[in-house]
Amino acid sequence: NAGVMQNPRHLVRRRGQEARLRCSPMKGHSHVYWYRQLPEEGLKFMVYLQKENIIDESGMPKERFSAEFPKEGPSILRIQQVVRGDSAAYFCASSPLGQAGQPQHFGDGTRLSIL
Amino acid sequence: AQSVTQLDSQVPVFEEAPVELRCNYSSSVSVYLFWYVQYPNQGLQLLLKYLSGSTLVKGINGFEAEFNKSQTSFHLRKPSVHISDTAEYFCAVSETGTASKLTFGTGTRLQVTL
Repeated sequence: NAGVMQNPRHLVRRRGQEARLRCSPMKGHSHVYWYRQLPEEGLKFMVYLQKENIIDESGMPKERFSAEFPKEGPSILRIQQVVRGDSAAYFCASSPLGQAGQPQHFGDGTRLSIL
Repeated sequence: AQSVTQLDSQVPVFEEAPVELRCNYSSSVSVYLFWYVQYPNQGLQLLLKYLSGSTLVKGINGFEAEFNKSQTSFHLRKPSVHISDTAEYFCAVSETGTASKLTFGTGTRLQVTL
């Protein structure tokens, strides 16, 4: 059984470029969560999506960040005009249902470095 | 809103010794509680969870945790650690009855040595 797949594992961008992070949830999972982990910190919730819908984006920065989870294909976290402060590990998690208490299964993350 | 506090950023321990990693939470509503482990350059793996019922929950790799509602704590314990337990451990909560976004603590680095 394939777990949550994230790619790329490592991504290097220069300031001002765009970063696209991809997440394929576990088979049968239709709920995706994105979290950001800054160095020496815990994970911070960013956004929760169901197929074609954003359910909760309360943790997303207001500018430059967007997320989607189309009917077909992976979920995408997009960061436009990246800045040094965007350097972090970005984790995707999935669950079969969006119910409280259901464990979320995490991918190995994308480590984004901004030069 | 919820918050999670892990007071110990690092816990050094010798192999085969017992360990307790502390977790306290704050919430105005009922929550579910989780412990996750993160090995270097990997994602998080669920160790155990408390949803309801018995306050002592057992997880994988010999870990257990006890929910204490009056002290708003959910400390993680293992009676005898192994070198392979060296990792980062995160406590997390989610609100009951709503979409299950997780609120994490800042993590505790468990360092097991011979």
